Amino acid sequence: GAGVSQSPSNKVTEKGKDVELRCDPISGHTALYWYRQSLGQGLEFLIYFQGNSAPDKSGLPSDRFSAERTGGSVSTLTIQRTQQEDSAVYLCASSLAGGKVGNEQFFGPGTRLTVL
Amino acid sequence: GENVEQHPSTLSVQEGDSAVIKCTYSDSASNYFPWYKQELGKRPQLIIDIRSNVGEKKDQRIAVTLNKTAKHFSLHITETQPEDSAVYFCAASSLPGGSQGNLIFGKGTKLSVKP
Repeated sequence: GAGVSQSPSNKVTEKGKDVELRCDPISGHTALYWYRQSLGQGLEFLIYFQGNSAPDKSGLPSDRFSAERTGGSVSTLTIQRTQQEDSAVYLCASSLAGGKVGNEQFFGPGTRLTVL
Repeated sequence: GENVEQHPSTLSVQEGDSAVIKCTYSDSASNYFPWYKQELGKRPQLIIDIRSNVGEKKDQRIAVTLNKTAKHFSLHITETQPEDSAVYFCAASSLPGGSQGNLIFGKGTKLSVKP
């Protein structure tokens, strides 16, 4: 079956503009995660959705970042008034049930965001 | 919250040698520890994971060990091959009560296997 998909694959924007990044999780996966990976760095947790529960937003770096997950499937990460330090690869992952121990997270290919 | 430290940041070995990557974690409630491999320009992929009720797990040339008392876990790759060259990330679950949700990742180890 299809894996996690993300769009766009690359996004170049000017400082101050808003951007939207999209994630389509694997069908049937109830948990969805967003991570950020800066050049040569590890994966930084941003936000986590599990079913209909309130999302865990504890990793969002500022109030310029927000995310939605509509209908328990597709998710959109929005960055308002982008800054150069927002430049990174944004990775989405999904898993069968985030509340149960040991469910593998499957990653999408990422969106490379460049803020000029 | 959880904090994961990973060492070394880079590791170079000769083909056929073993490679060991070590991670420590801070939250004693963490109970799930996966390892991901990320090849250049590709997405991270799970290679092995271990749960807190197990001390060691093997899958062919890779193994992971967990010491809950010391709060550290390690990845062991034996008989390394050039295709093992990649960045390896360890991770730990961080939610209260030990249920796995978002993962907290180490900063990664760049493994280079020289032919």
